[in-house]
Amino acid sequence: DIQMTQSPSSLSASVGDRVTITCRASQGIANYLAWYQQKPGKVPKLLIYAASTLPSGVPSRFSGSGHGTDFTLTISSLQPEDVATYYCQRYNYAPLTFGGGTKVEIK
Amino acid sequence: EVQLVESGGGLVQPGRSLRLSCAASGFTFDDYAMHWVRLPPGKGLEWVSGISWDDFKIDYADSVKGRFTISRDDAENSLHLQMNSLRPDDTALYYCVKDKGGYTYGWDAFDIWGQGIMVTVSS
Repeated sequence: DIQMTQSPSSLSASVGDRVTITCRASQGIANYLAWYQQKPGKVPKLLIYAASTLPSGVPSRFSGSGHGTDFTLTISSLQPEDVATYYCQRYNYAPLTFGGGTKVEIK
Repeated sequence: EVQLVESGGGLVQPGRSLRLSCAASGFTFDDYAMHWVRLPPGKGLEWVSGISWDDFKIDYADSVKGRFTISRDDAENSLHLQMNSLRPDDTALYYCVKDKGGYTYGWDAFDIWGQGIMVTVSS
């Protein structure tokens, strides 16, 4: 099975900082990559699909890039409401594996 | 409003069975694949199972294969997960999830999530 490895597992940054989370697939997955945001006590929310496409309503400070095995989620200017755990997920074929998650906190 | 509402969770002893249900509303249910995803306490998200819009394609995580069965009832706009031979490591919050793609046999990202229902497997 294709494994998804996220890094870092946690980070602490200041409001306004640029934050980058990486996700690496053990084999190529083209652009079948999604990012989800799960705020404490809340339901996961789709942030990005097809590696770089933002659904309607997602703030433009979020962006995604990558293709094949290496992917990145970037928050251009961290806001207090971005405190959450972020997960990448591949969905090219089963099992639809999630990364281990990255917990983002405010310094 | 698009909504997914899970039911059927609870406390169950190891080896026993439980059936989760998910009532969908606000979208054309039979146009979309659906999934179950779980969140064990203190751990990350784990995809459990998915079913295509027409039941033709069904997949399971290795951890539940042979024990869990996913099904859908398009007449009732509902998704189900029959869980047999439950183990303590099945303890988790179970989410009913809508696949973003419609009329496709490939999977897509998950765009709508239910609030989740807790399943606890313990003696």
